Formats: sequence, structure tokens, C-alpha cells
Amino acid sequence: GAVVSQHPSWVICKSGTSVKIECRSLDFQATTMFWYRQFPKQSLMLMATSNEGSKATYEQGVEKDKFLINHASLTLSTLTVTSAHPEDSSFYICSADRVPYEQYFGPGTRLTVT
Amino acid sequence: QKEVEQNSGPLSVPEGAIASLNCTYSDRGSQSFFWYRQYSGKSPELIMSIYSNGDKEDGRFTAQLNKASQYVSLLIRDSQPSDSATYLCAVNIRAGGFKTIFGAGTRLFVKA
Repeated sequence: GAVVSQHPSWVICKSGTSVKIECRSLDFQATTMFWYRQFPKQSLMLMATSNEGSKATYEQGVEKDKFLINHASLTLSTLTVTSAHPEDSSFYICSADRVPYEQYFGPGTRLTVT
Repeated sequence: QKEVEQNSGPLSVPEGAIASLNCTYSDRGSQSFFWYRQYSGKSPELIMSIYSNGDKEDGRFTAQLNKASQYVSLLIRDSQPSDSATYLCAVNIRAGGFKTIFGAGTRLFVKA
């Protein structure tokens, strides 16, 4: 199967700081990558769709200036949570399309903002 | 009507039984359908994809698609306690181009 990695797997940061999460497709090129957020016992929430070389498309209600997404290459997308606050604490998961619509997920990053 | 609907469960089955998970979707134009398994605290893992009407088998898993009735199901034969997880149905939906929409998931418990 396709392999997607994320780094870091968990991070603790202080309120007001920024955190960058990397998502890499290791054995395939991904034109499209996705960023999700999941709160405990809740379903996946799509935050944004990231296409290589172009601006990300954010879902309604997601602040694009707070969640900065960069998809600089066919194997790397980054999500930066700027000026993080405790309510941003969540499980952030990226995924990548190996073939259209068939998404493979990274292992996720657990963010805790203190 | 939600775009992709699943019974949240929990669905509880004894070990060795067949677990049947169902999903309905709203867009008749959908072409791609997926089942993911998500263990607690982990990210989703793709277990099946299906594109044509009928059944598709992979080991103990069988995906069934009925486009006329707009439902897709997943059967797990010889259920094991290790199958206990949340199962997510995903469907590509027309929304300015196509995008993949995930159901909220069905929690499955397999009792030893």
C-alpha cells in the first residue's frame, strides 16, 4: 500500500506560538493532499485541500490565515498552525491521493496547546 | 439529508460472526467508494475500494455496491476482536468537481 508519513507525531506548545506539521508521501507522488482535524470521539473534519504548486482550498469555517498550508512539491505538504490556542488542540491528520479519490492517511499529529 | 450516512452504532457481534456495516449516499453520480478502518487514537486505514455494482472480496472483507439504491456495505466474515474499530465509508461526491466525503463512521465491537 501507499505510505504517508507525518512529523511530528505529537507536539506540545505554548499558547501564542506556531507549530509546523509535515506530511510526506514516501512511495508515490501526490498532486493532491488533504488536511483533517479530529476531536476525541468525533468524525474527521476536512480542513483544506492542497494542490502542488497552487494555493490550498479551505473548507468553510477554517481560517486560512491561522492554518497555513504549503504544498511545495509532489511529496510534501506542510500545515502551520499560527498563534496556537488551547482550542486548537486536536489530532491533525494528512492524507494524499495515490490515485484519484483514493486517499492514504498519515499517522496523524497530536497537538496540545498549553 | 447528509451526503454520506452511516449508523453510528455501536454494532456488537460475537467473535466468528459476520459483521455487516452499511452506508448510504446522496449523489447518484458518485463513482468511487471506499471503506476505511480507524482504531481508537489512530488515523484511518484504507481497507477496500469499489467502483462497480456488485461484490468485491478481499480476504475476510467483502464490499457490496448498489448504485441504483445508493448504498454500499462492508461485510466482515469470521469477525475477530482485532476488528473492533470505527469503520468509515467514503464516497466521491460532485461538489464543483468531485471531492471525497466521509461518513461519521460506525463503531464495531467484536466480543471474544
